[in-house]
Amino acid sequence: GAVVSQHPSWVICKSGTSVKIECRSLDFQATTMFWYRQFPKQSLMLMATSNEGSKATYEQGVEKDKFLINHASLTLSTLTVTSAHPEDSSFYICSAQRGTGETQYFGPGTRLLVL
Amino acid sequence: QQQVKQSPQSLIVQKGGISIINCAYENTAFDYFPWYQQFPGKGPALLIAIRPDVSEKKEGRFTISFNKSAKQFSLHIMDSQPGDSATYFCAASTRSNYQLIWGAGTKLIIKP
Repeated sequence: GAVVSQHPSWVICKSGTSVKIECRSLDFQATTMFWYRQFPKQSLMLMATSNEGSKATYEQGVEKDKFLINHASLTLSTLTVTSAHPEDSSFYICSAQRGTGETQYFGPGTRLLVL
Repeated sequence: QQQVKQSPQSLIVQKGGISIINCAYENTAFDYFPWYQQFPGKGPALLIAIRPDVSEKKEGRFTISFNKSAKQFSLHIMDSQPGDSATYFCAASTRSNYQLIWGAGTKLIIKP
């Protein structure tokens, strides 16, 4: 158990458009989901934490109006990159957690390329 | 104080050898220490994790050694195989704060 999926696995878009990435916990209910960004050869950088039914908590330096997070149910969270620019190109990874302090299970990641 | 320092940055080990990756932390409130394995273009996968009430945990070829007084923990991969070639991340968190604090990662290459 503890499988997390992400869709799409990769996306190419034009500058100025918006892109939505879905994160689903397939076989468990996730009270908390996390969104990370990872640059090549670097560690994961936490962008935001979301709990089902409440507003996401963003890390310092992450623009909440640019990276919209919705955690509509206990199995689905979405990240929308609004008005994407080439500097938003990155590897976006979500994780899900059953309960506070428990193991985070990661999705396979979404590669975003903004032209 | 929130940092987790990981070393080495990269490691090359012969097939069949022992791979050792080390992490150190400052925050004594940390009480959960997972290791994640990440292959290129994939998300991290939990490998093994330990809580500070034990000094060692073994799962197959993977062992975590934990030294509470030194505030250090390490991952040992016995009989390393080419399929173990990946980037390994240590992390730490507390029960009260679910946020994982990540090490910088170690790129492990196992030579056939």
